[in-house]
Amino acid sequence: GQQVMQIPQYQHVQEGEDFTTYCNSSTTLSNIQWYKQRPGGHPVFLIQLVKSGEVKKQKRLTFQFGEAKKNSSLHITATQTTDVGTYFCAGSGGSNYKLTFGKGTLLTVNP
Amino acid sequence: GAGVSQSPSNKVTEKGKDVELRCDPISGHTALYWYRQSLGQGLEFLIYFQGNSAPDKSGLPSDRFSAERTGGSVSTLTIQRTQQEDSAVYLCASSSGLAGSLDTQYFGPGTRLTVL
Repeated sequence: GQQVMQIPQYQHVQEGEDFTTYCNSSTTLSNIQWYKQRPGGHPVFLIQLVKSGEVKKQKRLTFQFGEAKKNSSLHITATQTTDVGTYFCAGSGGSNYKLTFGKGTLLTVNP
Repeated sequence: GAGVSQSPSNKVTEKGKDVELRCDPISGHTALYWYRQSLGQGLEFLIYFQGNSAPDKSGLPSDRFSAERTGGSVSTLTIQRTQQEDSAVYLCASSSGLAGSLDTQYFGPGTRLTVL
């Protein structure tokens, strides 16, 4: 079955440093979504990428979808303490509804 | 507007007992998902409902797990004869169901289940 891997599992940074999490799929994806889960909270949708090579930005967050549509990344520039949480990618392959979630990257930020 | 709600927020039960977890999706959303999240882990797909179609139960870990969705709205996840390994946060999500996998999923706050 489809597998979605995320690395790193954990990342600790000093406030102001950059952060990147990577997502890799065993199969070609039709789209990929990113979610953020704050400590003690539930996942909240951030963005969706559909096109090969697509890049989208949300303020300090940059999302990329690989040319082969098998990998994606989320980059945060100049992290802030409010960025703390677990970032999940979720991809969809042949299914018309099911998302396969990665295990997430837990980001902690030292003020 | 109201988001996805789940009840109870916390449930502590003894091994061998049955539990029922409830999910109220966003009004008008035809798609409903159940996930399980163990400590420090990702989201494990359990079951999917879409309108009046037969649910996709492919993620249910054993026959002790079952789910219903009545009237296309509220859903109940039932775990029979709970085991300690069932301890996790059970998350429900709903989406409009209009665009399939392109839909945004809106998550509820989850039910934290602890089996003693």
